[in-house]
Amino acid sequence: ETGVTQTPRHLVMGMTNKKSLKCEQHLGHNAMYWYKQSAKKPLELMFVYSLEERVENNSVPSRFSPECPNSSHLFLHLHTLQPEDSALYLCASRKEGPGANVLTFGAGSRLTVL
Amino acid sequence: AQRVTQPEKLLSVFKGAPVELKCNYSYSGSPELFWYVQYSRQRLQLLLRHISRESIKGFTADLNKGETSFHLKKPFAQEEDSAMYYCAQREASNTGKLIFGQGTTLQVKP
Repeated sequence: ETGVTQTPRHLVMGMTNKKSLKCEQHLGHNAMYWYKQSAKKPLELMFVYSLEERVENNSVPSRFSPECPNSSHLFLHLHTLQPEDSALYLCASRKEGPGANVLTFGAGSRLTVL
Repeated sequence: AQRVTQPEKLLSVFKGAPVELKCNYSYSGSPELFWYVQYSRQRLQLLLRHISRESIKGFTADLNKGETSFHLKKPFAQEEDSAMYYCAQREASNTGKLIFGQGTTLQVKP
């Protein structure tokens, strides 16, 4: 699989579990994003990392913790989630610079919280 | 706050019929607008962006600043066009954050 790769594709966890979602891109992009896609809501931006520095935290609860160790990898650490956190979590990346505003999305990680 | 509105949750047309997916935005400056598409069991992907003024898979979208609209159009719908379509606007900041509309499901019937 090329482009933006997300693992796992499906995750079921209990409310007391700790798990992580992983995103990887080898497109030479230098900005990475986490989005949440719920059934009845628009796509919601969660976090933005630009040049490995978090530049945006869109009022996301602390039970979601992002990590960007380098420009190619992005994690979303999950802890004590709620059933309403069940959703598709999309990672995206982008090359920052003039005219380069296109996001490339991963296939998503489908999370179910029991 | 910037907002993108897609008034129709579902649009159902017959094959060969014209299609128009509506999108309105709220930003009054020089917006950057995009259409993303998500086919069944596939990832969200860029369909087109207004600065390119391109036609992709027969779809076009014209930016109308007077009406603050960026409607997506295709003269003759095909069954393979059935998908979820999202209109998005780049936020007026340096993060490149995209603000998405709620999405419209296009259903093209045979």
